[in-house]
Amino acid sequence: AQTVTQSQPEMSVQEAETVTLSCTYDTSESDYYLFWYKQPPSRQMILVIRQEAYKQQNATENRFSVNFQKAAKSFSLKISDSQLGDAAMYFCASMEYGNKLVFGAGTILRVKS
Amino acid sequence: EAQVTQNPRYLITVTGKKLTVTCSQNMNHEYMSWYRQDPGLGLRQIYYSMNVEVTDKGDVPEGYKVSRKEKRNFPLILESPSPNQTSLYFCASSSNGGLTYNEQFFGPGTRLTVL
Repeated sequence: AQTVTQSQPEMSVQEAETVTLSCTYDTSESDYYLFWYKQPPSRQMILVIRQEAYKQQNATENRFSVNFQKAAKSFSLKISDSQLGDAAMYFCASMEYGNKLVFGAGTILRVKS
Repeated sequence: EAQVTQNPRYLITVTGKKLTVTCSQNMNHEYMSWYRQDPGLGLRQIYYSMNVEVTDKGDVPEGYKVSRKEKRNFPLILESPSPNQTSLYFCASSSNGGLTYNEQFFGPGTRLTVL
């Protein structure tokens, strides 16, 4: 069974600085997808970035990038030039065959001005 | 506008009083799913449906029922709610993925409190 672990319940970052959120996962499949979702106070689930396991190149979306270490089953999210609007709960998630998402417990990110 | 809608957004009820949370999508998606979100546990899948009249249990199905009579709707039914079902509920939909990726679209969430 898939499992996703986020070991940082809460992180803080100064505005304009860089922060990295950690995530490890476990799967027996060779084909799978990994995601980071952002959940602001509005509670909406927003897809931040997606990584396909068979692609070695790390995904990037503007200020957001991942460090995907397949052998170590690690999938961290780096947020560069942090902004006040980045403050939210961040969930790491995995998906194997089909559409089921398995989520980690989440990391609350606080951004200090 | 492509969207997933849920109603109600907020609900406070009492133990044992049957309730239904509705979910509807306008994207002609085959796959629909319900998750619950609890502190320290993230989101966990309750039930899912691959298509009309096809539903199956997720990881935490106890105390819940679902139906999929129409492609666009996927209601979540709590026949006899209990306080441990107090949670934030999300409905999601996507095209059927198989081995290919299809983005899941989430509804806005329903905050349920069972007293």
